Amino acid sequence: GGIITQTPKFLIGQEGQKLTLKCQQNFNHDTMYWYRQDSGKGLRLIYYSITENDLQKGDLSEGYDASREKKSSFSLTVTSAQKNEMAVFLCASSIAGGARTLYFGSGTRLTVL
Amino acid sequence: AQSVTQPDARVTVSEGASLQLRCKYSSSVTPYLFWYVQYPRQGLQLLLKYYSGDPVVQGVNGFEAEFSKSNSSFHLRKASVHWSDSAVYFCAVSMATGGNNKLTFGQGTVLSVIP
Repeated sequence: GGIITQTPKFLIGQEGQKLTLKCQQNFNHDTMYWYRQDSGKGLRLIYYSITENDLQKGDLSEGYDASREKKSSFSLTVTSAQKNEMAVFLCASSIAGGARTLYFGSGTRLTVL
Repeated sequence: AQSVTQPDARVTVSEGASLQLRCKYSSSVTPYLFWYVQYPRQGLQLLLKYYSGDPVVQGVNGFEAEFSKSNSSFHLRKASVHWSDSAVYFCAVSMATGGNNKLTFGQGTVLSVIP
């Protein structure tokens, strides 16, 4: 089996700061995703990537950038952290194609002071 | 556009009791449907998924779900819950068109099992 590793597990930043979250997977999956989880609001898709160097915007991409330089890694940058962005960010990966199972990391919890 | 509604934010049941968690979806075509579970401080894990065929699908740990096209629903059931089933449960839908696999999640239902 494989694993998705998200770093750091906890990230504390100042308002207005640029912050980067990292995700590594060893499933050899083509597609990777970043979701934001807010309490009571479920998961919302920020960015996804179908293959290396591909980026697709999700429903919540404003205020974020993403980068997929390698098949195994997918980074998310909060361009200017805001207090209302305190949430858990989940990375996932899947085989390409429809209706494939997503495999999730355990998340990065962001706190903005 | 697709959407998912889980009408119950929190459900509390006693250990050994039966369980139903509700999920309603909105979609222009029959979508692919999923239930995921999130245990404390962990990511989401797949419980089961439905593509087509028998509307009752079996998942892990004794969970099953029933698809109803007429009701646009995909409710999750378990005959007898255990305290370890306490977690957050998410229903999700995918149109599975093209080469992507975008899932739309419901808001989640927090399940508390009382010993």
